[in-house]
Amino acid sequence: GAVVSQHPSRVICKSGTSVKIECRSLDFQATTMFWYRQFPKKSLMLMATSNEGSKATYEQGVEKDKFLINHASLTLSTLTVTSAHPEDSSFYICSARDYSGNTIYFGEGSWLTVV
Amino acid sequence: GQQVMQIPQYQHVQEGEDFTTYCNSSTTLSNIQWYKQRPGGHPVFLIQLVKSGEVKKQKRLTFQFGEAKKNSSLHITATQTTDVGTYFCAGAGWGSNYKLTFGKGTLLTVNP
Repeated sequence: GAVVSQHPSRVICKSGTSVKIECRSLDFQATTMFWYRQFPKKSLMLMATSNEGSKATYEQGVEKDKFLINHASLTLSTLTVTSAHPEDSSFYICSARDYSGNTIYFGEGSWLTVV
Repeated sequence: GQQVMQIPQYQHVQEGEDFTTYCNSSTTLSNIQWYKQRPGGHPVFLIQLVKSGEVKKQKRLTFQFGEAKKNSSLHITATQTTDVGTYFCAGAGWGSNYKLTFGKGTLLTVNP
């Protein structure tokens, strides 16, 4: 079946630095990818919708200058957390929509810890 | 904006008992999807319901989509310890972006 790969699975960074998380669709082309944030024991909160070749659409309350999203190809979207702060520590999950249908596949998530 | 309410938030059952979680959307949905997330894991797609009044079964799991395409339920018959996890419904809006709005999830724990 379709696979979405997310990397890194875990990352620790220092406050003030930037960290990049990659989301790849391995065996299908994804014109649309989604980035979510999940706090422990909470639901998934959509951060932004990433469309290949265009600017991402951010949800209300999500700082686009802090969470930079780039969807440079049909198989890769990246989320860069800039000037990381301990409050940014969370589980970040991407998902990709299968171009041929309506199924959405999730990556395995990335645990970000900012110290 | 679109909101998806899910209840209950937690459910603890004895192995062998049945379990149901319910979702209700503030708006009519194009479809609704269900996901399972094991502790420490990522959401895994279970099923998608598209048609009004649709009922689908996967072994002991029964999924229903309401006639108005605003509510849905997931029912598990005779729960097993392997059913433990958080079950999320996610409502899909309309339009090409296909944005999913997730319910808060129901955490199911099963006592063996």
